Amino acid sequence: GNSVTQMEGPVTLSEEAFLTINCTYTATGYPSLFWYVQYPGEGLQLLLKATKADDKGSNKGFEATYRKETTSFHLEKGSVQVSDSAVYFCALSTSNDYKLSFGAGTTVTVRA
Amino acid sequence: KAGVTQTPRYLIKTRGQQVTLSCSPISGHRSVSWYQQTPGQGLQFLFEYFSETQRNKGNFPGRFSGRQFSNSRSEMNVSTLELGDSALYLCASSLENSGTGAKAFFGQGTRLTVV
Repeated sequence: GNSVTQMEGPVTLSEEAFLTINCTYTATGYPSLFWYVQYPGEGLQLLLKATKADDKGSNKGFEATYRKETTSFHLEKGSVQVSDSAVYFCALSTSNDYKLSFGAGTTVTVRA
Repeated sequence: KAGVTQTPRYLIKTRGQQVTLSCSPISGHRSVSWYQQTPGQGLQFLFEYFSETQRNKGNFPGRFSGRQFSNSRSEMNVSTLELGDSALYLCASSLENSGTGAKAFFGQGTRLTVV
């Protein structure tokens, strides 16, 4: 079946620090990959996605590259802000699955 | 364009009761999925509907059921509530299957507390 392994948190950073959240996956079939973000008291928002190998998804300064050879989709941001404090979820879906499979989530706290 | 609307936002129910949660997808979206989020188990898939047909179901007991109406609105029902059913229930809508790369848009969720 499909599964996502995400680096455990929590992660605490200072403003303007570099953020990396590791994500690896196993999938039956060719997956689409996603990063979602959840702010306190809210649902999930799509941050970025990639649908084929070597695609780079990017949004709001965040980037992630679909690496088929290492089955990874690591999230990076060069300079975080306090407003980036949230829980980040890596997810995948395959065309025959009709669902998103999520990682456990990584809580990120950015201090001023 | 209105987002995904879930009602109610908060619910408190007694063990043994049943509950119905509602989800109105984004206009034009025909796929609606439900997820349960708990601190211990994370985000777990419940079921997905497309044009009133259930296409996939997660590993939950039969007490959890759902349906989709012709206008794509969806409801999920949990009967004989247990304390462990306390969770945030999230609904997501998309144009098509996420496996094709279609974006899933989530509602704010319904926070169910079973006492």
